[in-house]
Amino acid sequence: QKEVEQNSGPLSVPEGAIASLNCTYSDRGSQSFFWYRQYSGKSPELIMFIYSNGDKEDGRFTAQLNKASQYVSLLIRDSQPSDSATYLCAFRSGGYNKLIFGAGTRLAVHP
Amino acid sequence: EAQVTQNPRYLITVTGKKLTVTCSQNMNHEYMSWYRQDPGLGLRQIYYSMNVEVTDKGDVPEGYKVSRKEKRNFPLILESPSPNQTSLYFCASMASGREEQFFGPGTRLTVL
Repeated sequence: QKEVEQNSGPLSVPEGAIASLNCTYSDRGSQSFFWYRQYSGKSPELIMFIYSNGDKEDGRFTAQLNKASQYVSLLIRDSQPSDSATYLCAFRSGGYNKLIFGAGTRLAVHP
Repeated sequence: EAQVTQNPRYLITVTGKKLTVTCSQNMNHEYMSWYRQDPGLGLRQIYYSMNVEVTDKGDVPEGYKVSRKEKRNFPLILESPSPNQTSLYFCASMASGREEQFFGPGTRLTVL
């Protein structure tokens, strides 16, 4: 069974700090990795995707991928209370539209 | 407005009573999926479709059926619902060659 492991949290960080969210995955063959954000009672929305080892930055968000360690992370700089949500890690497994999601990490940013 | 719509948003039913949850997208997307979300288990893919009349099983297809007769619609059918199908269901669509899945607002289903 292909899996994604995430710490369920909650991860609590003060406003303005860096939040670090981590994810490990089991499928060594996977090439595509995603971070989705889900506010309470809402549907998931894509934040970032990453294919290559290393870092990918988009505004306050940085995704980091290490395929050798089967590890992907999301850094949120200058965290804001509006970043408080559950963050879902996912990878593509097999078919183009076949995604495996983790259970998510709940992030709480306090003023 | 570009969107994925699901109906109903909330449904309480009884064991064995057939039901259909509809999903429609107005973005002309080729790919569509159904997920269920349960506490501690995250999103699990039930079925997905690559285009009209092309569907495939996800990780948890047992007890569900789907059809894709039109590009915009992808209904989820529970022929004989059971209490273990009580969950939050999401439909999603994605354009070919793109990475972002667009999710519907969700359908909360309770099977008594």
